Amino acid sequence: RKEVEQDPGPFNVPEGATVAFNCTYSNSASQSFFWYRQDCRKEPKLLMSVYSSGNEDGRFTAQLNRASQYISLLIRDSKLSDSATYLCAVRPMLNAGGTSYGKLTFGQGTILTVHP
Amino acid sequence: EAQVTQNPRYLITVTGKKLTVTCSQNMNHEYMSWYRQDPGLGLRQIYYSMNVEVTDKGDVPEGYKVSRKEKRNFPLILESPSPNQTSLYFCASRGLNGNNQPQHFGDGTRLSIL
Repeated sequence: RKEVEQDPGPFNVPEGATVAFNCTYSNSASQSFFWYRQDCRKEPKLLMSVYSSGNEDGRFTAQLNRASQYISLLIRDSKLSDSATYLCAVRPMLNAGGTSYGKLTFGQGTILTVHP
Repeated sequence: EAQVTQNPRYLITVTGKKLTVTCSQNMNHEYMSWYRQDPGLGLRQIYYSMNVEVTDKGDVPEGYKVSRKEKRNFPLILESPSPNQTSLYFCASRGLNGNNQPQHFGDGTRLSIL
């Protein structure tokens, strides 16, 4: 089983649609969670961190389910400019002193295409 | 402006000719890392470094070397490149204080080994 798994898609949705991605992780010690966005041939850019209580940033909502070991990303009112690959990333905390040394492991990414 | 800078952005070279991809960050980050990204395989970590003179292997270190003589620089060295190292490479850095420090990526280096 891969450490981090995502449905690769592609997801093709019309403008204005709501779309959700899930990402499952196998390491129960994972403590830090992120969603990145990657445009074609560009570097991944941080979209948002995922906090235990869930968090929202405009049209984007991220949630964490520790019991089932997955994180999710919800995009409301999709825009054409949301078309990209969305990567989830997880990292364990190996040091209880407040620093985080563990490796950041990425999922393969989910391709989203928003069409007019 | 906070950034991670990689050079070159594009390189086409031949098998066996040693090459170095440089990476520099201006955020005083302790942690730096190299990834390669291939279709269907996602981002895979090659090497990482916790601080100066501290480096360790990632998931796919074979055929690569790194060094960390200064905090800001983390070059990736291919001593004898082979065609299976043709890929898109990313350098990344992050701070180590706090649990939710994200990684910042460079623009990427597209290597083609003929």
